[in-house]
Amino acid sequence: DAGITQSPRYKITETGRQVTLMCHQTWSHSYMFWYRQDLGHGLRLIYYSAAADITDKGEVPDGYVVSRSKTENFPLTLESATRSQTSVYFCATLILGPRNEQFFGPGTRLTVL
Amino acid sequence: DAKTTQPNSMESNEEEPVHLPCNHSTISGTDYIHWYRQLPSQGPEYVIHGLTSNVNNRMASLAIAEDRKSSTLILHRATLRDAAVYYCILRDNDYGGSQGNLIFGKGTKLSVKP
Repeated sequence: DAGITQSPRYKITETGRQVTLMCHQTWSHSYMFWYRQDLGHGLRLIYYSAAADITDKGEVPDGYVVSRSKTENFPLTLESATRSQTSVYFCATLILGPRNEQFFGPGTRLTVL
Repeated sequence: DAKTTQPNSMESNEEEPVHLPCNHSTISGTDYIHWYRQLPSQGPEYVIHGLTSNVNNRMASLAIAEDRKSSTLILHRATLRDAAVYYCILRDNDYGGSQGNLIFGKGTKLSVKP
């Protein structure tokens, strides 16, 4: 019963390279989110998805691409990585209900050199 | 979503109660007050939420001011494992979509001393 897994957990890449961060949920939650967290700051929303094949931009979408062909997967791609994209990336799902609770993955620490 | 204001940091002694304040003077009538916490090197996790009445669960209690312009998260007996950043977040609880987004501020970093 893993819940949300993210891979890789750590990644070092170089400026200009394409990088894909994976997010997988073992539930069937409709909504999924990608956040980034920079040192000393709260989390900021990059993209979210309401269901398979439905995605929308969040607060800081520039330089990122998402897709969601299956409910359980929500990959985030950095098309051409920049140093400013060095951050910790969190994937989350949302269970609609009285709590509207979000469940977060363990995060991926990405360093762009 | 309305803005919240929290102290940057607080300290507590182990096994003592901790009161984490949050001001939200521009809260609207449909905004729920959510608290999440983020343990070191982990993603945030839900703690508690409420609308008007005080709420209790196994993790904490939430005390909401009568005018709803402030609230307090109460940890009844802090443990070392409660050391984390605590986020107070307001959001409309009607449905998901962009409304499902949690807008995180910087939160309060709670340190617990043995």
